[in-house]
Amino acid sequence: EAQVTQNPRYLITVTGKKLTVTCSQNMNHEYMSWYRQDPGLGLRQIYYSMNVEVTDKGDVPEGYKVSRKEKRNFPLILESPSPNQTSLYFCASSAHTGTDGYTFGSGTRLTVV
Amino acid sequence: AQSVSQHNHHVILSEAASLELGCNYSYGGTVNLFWYVQYPGQHLQLLLKYFSGDPLVKGIKGFEAEFIKSKFSFNLRKPSVQWSDTAEYFCAVTYTGFQKLVFGTGTRLLVSP
Repeated sequence: EAQVTQNPRYLITVTGKKLTVTCSQNMNHEYMSWYRQDPGLGLRQIYYSMNVEVTDKGDVPEGYKVSRKEKRNFPLILESPSPNQTSLYFCASSAHTGTDGYTFGSGTRLTVV
Repeated sequence: AQSVSQHNHHVILSEAASLELGCNYSYGGTVNLFWYVQYPGQHLQLLLKYFSGDPLVKGIKGFEAEFIKSKFSFNLRKPSVQWSDTAEYFCAVTYTGFQKLVFGTGTRLLVSP
């Protein structure tokens, strides 16, 4: 089954403790992206990647890092999480964003206390 | 700046009522347009998309949308809603030459039985 898999689904952590949210897709998609969803703000792009070793900032990249060492994986790293990063995070991938849109993962609900 | 506006933040309807959700995008050349749906606790799923051809597009679950280029609009419609349509709906756009999928802030639809 074609899908984007994120882990974990839920995560509670403390301020400053480094964490990684994994994302993997099995569709051989070139484009991958991370979004955060907050009430009243919709989805905002954090980082995106157009291919292996090619990443770029989205609209809200502060406090996040990403890497794209393999085509299928696109982890999101929070080096020093803060409470304002409490949010619902979605990973997405696409073969061609212009005509296909994105396929989304199931989401990771992160709480930073 | 590229942006998408969804005029209705919350909509409450009774079953069998007709639905129209507004979506306007900022001018930026050729666009590709999408509507996504997010059922409670779930990830985003593609309802329908437009990238060329007939401006009236039909999607899943009886939804349709009309692209009106002169109004920069892509409104979502359904003739008769069901309780199971209760969800949040997001309009999104990509602009030719840009990979980013830009989202509106979403519309929460509640359908009462």
